[in-house]
Amino acid sequence: GAGVSQSPSNKVTEKGKDVELRCDPISGHTALYWYRQSLGQGLEFLIYFQGNSAPDKSGLPSDRFSAERTGGSVSTLTIQRTQQEDSAVYLCASSLTAVLGRGGEQYFGPGTRLTVT
Amino acid sequence: DQQVKQNSPSLSVQEGRISILNCDYTNSMFDYFLWYKKYPAEGPTFLISISSIKDKNEDGRFTVFLNKSAKHLSLHIVPSQPGDSAVYFCAALAYTGGFKTIFGAGTRLFVKA
Repeated sequence: GAGVSQSPSNKVTEKGKDVELRCDPISGHTALYWYRQSLGQGLEFLIYFQGNSAPDKSGLPSDRFSAERTGGSVSTLTIQRTQQEDSAVYLCASSLTAVLGRGGEQYFGPGTRLTVT
Repeated sequence: DQQVKQNSPSLSVQEGRISILNCDYTNSMFDYFLWYKKYPAEGPTFLISISSIKDKNEDGRFTVFLNKSAKHLSLHIVPSQPGDSAVYFCAALAYTGGFKTIFGAGTRLFVKA
């Protein structure tokens, strides 16, 4: 079946502009995660959604970052007033459940490469 | 402060030999560990995992070893194949009022034919 998809694949924006990144998780997956990977760095956790529960936003680096998940499916990560340090690959992942060892393994999308000029 | 560390940014191995990728962690509350493989321009893909109650998990050519007292885990690939050339990420999970995966910085594996 279809995997996790993300759009756009590449986004170049000017400093100060807002951007929206989209994630379509695997159908039926209840958990959705956003990460970012800066050049030469590992994956940095941003936010986690599980079903209808309040999201875990503890990884968001500033209040310029926000994310929504509509209808328990598609998610949008919004970055307001982008800065050059926001340049990174933003990865979305979903998992069937959030139960460790029981479908909690995450399936990643190909990522969105964001470049802020 | 990095809670999950992969101190070797790269590793080069001859085809057919063993590849050993190492990972250290600092948080004793982690109770589940995973390895992901990432090819260029693709998202990471899940490879193998291990619960903290075990010290070894094997899946084909891939074996993960966990040493809780040393807060260390390793991924063994044997025999290594050129198609294994990728970046390998170690990840750790802990339930801390939420659900968060902490990734290491990754190790780039080169398998030479």
